[in-house]
Amino acid sequence: DVKVTQSSRYLVKRTGEKVFLECVQDMDHENMFWYRQDPGLGLRLIYFSYDVKMKEKGDIPEGYSVSREKKERFSLILESASTNQTSMYLCATRQDYGYTFGSGTRLTVV
Amino acid sequence: KQEVTQIPAALSVPEGENLVLNCSFTDSAIYNLQWFRQDPGKGLTSLLLIQSSQREQTSGRLNASLDKSSGRSTLYIAASQPGDSATYLCAVHDASGAGSYQLTFGKGTKLSVIP
Repeated sequence: DVKVTQSSRYLVKRTGEKVFLECVQDMDHENMFWYRQDPGLGLRLIYFSYDVKMKEKGDIPEGYSVSREKKERFSLILESASTNQTSMYLCATRQDYGYTFGSGTRLTVV
Repeated sequence: KQEVTQIPAALSVPEGENLVLNCSFTDSAIYNLQWFRQDPGKGLTSLLLIQSSQREQTSGRLNASLDKSSGRSTLYIAASQPGDSATYLCAVHDASGAGSYQLTFGKGTKLSVIP
């Protein structure tokens, strides 16, 4: 089974901090994604990557950046955390048999 | 732009009932459709994936159907159990254009199975 591992289940950060959310997959998948999930808004795509060092903006990239230096690791960066970035963040990979998600990181910005 | 709608938003049933969750999408040019389960505070667990050329997929007590031409999918759960209580999400993988790498999600149906 594919494993998508998000390094933190819960994070609490202060406004203005630079925040790194890490995601690692163990199946050599090319495509990786970052979503955020909010009540009433559902899942929204922030960024995705279809190859090492390649990235594409999703629907809501503002305030975020990403890094993919190695195929197995896709990092989401909040350059200067704000309270409106408090959310559940979900990482995923994609292959022909569909998408596999990590267990999520609940980020609270205070 | 693809839109995915799930009805109802919430559903409560007694244990043992068979039930159907509905998903509709606006653009029939899809690559596949995937049903997920999400428990509170957790990530998404894949339940079933239906390729655009398929009509249905089955796993245990779950059966998902796809009618691409009408833009609809259903998830059928037989003999529901309290452990089935969760939010069920439908997601469509578009087959063309700028959306070709993206999943579009519905907002989910929150299922409660009462013992």
